[in-house]
Amino acid sequence: SYVLTQPPSVSVAPGQTARITCGGNNIGSKSVHWYQQKPGQAPVLVVYDDSDRPSGIPERFSGSNSGNTATLTISRVEAGDEADYYCQVWDSSSDHYVFGTGTKVTVL
Amino acid sequence: QVQLVQSGAEVKKPGASVKVSCKASGYTFTGYYMHWVRQAPGQGLEWMGWINPNSGGTNYAQKFQGRVTMTRDTSISTAYMELSRLRSDDTAVYYCARGADILTAGTNWFDPWGQGTLVTVSS
Repeated sequence: SYVLTQPPSVSVAPGQTARITCGGNNIGSKSVHWYQQKPGQAPVLVVYDDSDRPSGIPERFSGSNSGNTATLTISRVEAGDEADYYCQVWDSSSDHYVFGTGTKVTVL
Repeated sequence: QVQLVQSGAEVKKPGASVKVSCKASGYTFTGYYMHWVRQAPGQGLEWMGWINPNSGGTNYAQKFQGRVTMTRDTSISTAYMELSRLRSDDTAVYYCARGADILTAGTNWFDPWGQGTLVTVSS
């Protein structure tokens, strides 16, 4: 089955840029989606189709995808961005959906 | 606005079954796939499967084949996920999440999500 690997944690100072990677075999050929999950809350979609943002999501959230790595970038990080972030793809070979292992973003 | 509201927390004994509901509002229930995702305490997200509310067709993750049943009642815009032969490692928060438009099926993300239902399996 398809595997998505994320770093367990990323730490960033307020105002700086956080980059969260999502590694998978030839992930660049798939559409990658990203979710933010704050403690005790349901996940929220923040980026879809590699780099598009749903309405209401700040422009500070952006994404890219190429080769074997997709990246979620959070610019000008704020304290409210502290959360767990998950990448997700659809695996066409199995018609199953796969989540990454998750990354905890800590704002210093 | 599009909203998914799930049933309340459950406590079950090992070997029992649990049925979680997810009531949709703000959109045409039969027009979008409904997915179920679970999250064990302190762990990541795990996709369980989807149901096509229009046809009733389902697609389950291999891990849950034979133990999970997803159904729907279109008259009340509600989807259900039933998990049988519960074990302690089924203790988790279970989420429903809206998926792709059934007609276009061109999207494969989840938005929005229900608030989650905690299922605790304990003797």
